[in-house]
Parts: sequence; C-alpha cells; structure tokens
Amino acid sequence: QLQLQESGSGLIKPSQTLSLTCAVSGGSISISGYSWSWIRQSPGKGLEWIGHISHSGSTLYNPSLKGRVLISEDRSKNQFSLHLISVTAADTAVYYCARDFDSSGHFDHWGQGSLVTVSS
Amino acid sequence: DIVMTQSPLSLPVTPGEPASISCRSSQSLLYSNGYNYLDWYLQKPGQPPQLLIYLGSNRASGVPDRFSGSGSGTDFTLKISRVEAEDFGVYYCMQSVQVPVTFGQGTRLDIE
Repeated sequence: QLQLQESGSGLIKPSQTLSLTCAVSGGSISISGYSWSWIRQSPGKGLEWIGHISHSGSTLYNPSLKGRVLISEDRSKNQFSLHLISVTAADTAVYYCARDFDSSGHFDHWGQGSLVTVSS
Repeated sequence: DIVMTQSPLSLPVTPGEPASISCRSSQSLLYSNGYNYLDWYLQKPGQPPQLLIYLGSNRASGVPDRFSGSGSGTDFTLKISRVEAEDFGVYYCMQSVQVPVTFGQGTRLDIE
C-alpha cells in the first residue's frame, strides 16, 4: 500500500523559505511511469498544482510561481522535497504531496497534507 | 492557463436521488491520442482529494459504479446514479492536458 507523508515547517515568517518533505513508503520514487507532485490548497485560490519531479529526476513547475520553487529528491531515503523561497501571506495553504501517472496525469495517491502558515 | 469552470457550485441532494455536476474547460482537453485529460476528485472534510474518475470516463480502483464520467473536448459531466451518505463533500474536476495542471473551483454536494 503506497503511502505519502508530508513533514516540515508549519509556521514561517514572510521572506523566509518554505521547506517540506514527502516520505514515500510502499513503493519507490524511482519507478518509471510516475512523477511526484506538490499541490497546495488555500481558501482564496483553491487547489493549485505547484510542480513535480519525475522518476528520472527532471522537474516541471507552475509558471505562476515565477522561479521561487525547487523540487528535489533523495532516492536513498525515498523522499522528495519542496522549497519555496521569499514566501508571503499568499503562500499560506495546506500543502499536499501526490503521485501522478505520467501517461494520464491523474493523482492516485495523496499525502494527508501539511498546513503552512506564513505570518510575522 | 486552462480555466476549469464547474457548475453548480452548490448542489443539495436527497440521499437516493441522482446528482450531476458539469465541468467546462477554456480549451479542449482532447489529446492527439484520443483521450480526454480530465479527472474528477472528491474531497471530504479534513482529507485530501481522492480520485474518482480519470481520462474523462475511467473509474479509479475501488470507486463504486454509481459514479460515471462523460464528455469530450471542453464539456464534461460527473453523474452519481443514486447519492449515498458517503458521497457528500466537494467535487473537483482537473485537467492535465497542458501545464500547468489546473482544477475547477469545486462543487459542494450537500444533504438536502
């Protein structure tokens, strides 16, 4: 049974860097055919796809984040991470990690979500 | 970005009755391989969205057959033949034919 679990900073100040990690169990992030995404949900903007990292390590990001985002992986720990720099209150959201199928784009497994609040 | 528009935004339904949600996209979701890159998700309070339908009409594993997805191009529909108590929550459509992936604003299915 594939499981994903987010962890990381829950409260950060404006201009700081948001850092979250998604630990994957029950399956390898290196298996071809899948990518590993970050998605966030805020009351004001609904569900927003942030980006993903493929099984081979290539990344794709939402242009709306204007170069502030970095997704990386640690295959030895079977986990992937999100870093979002120069955060503002608008980045306050529940952040989810999820697995997506390369061939069809759907997200079949999600983490439970991690609330990140940006406040001074 | 492709804009996804759902209607209605709120749908009160009596258990046992059918329900239908519409999703329209600002561009066609039909890819050259013949598949529509449109998915449906249900989110219950305090939980992440869960996949119901992928590629327009394919039920995900474990999803009851009272759920069905249809449509092509820019117009899609999710139908529930007989709503059960466990079906209440917020439904989202999502497109993945073009980056960035985008979601509809959600339709809240409430008990009437």
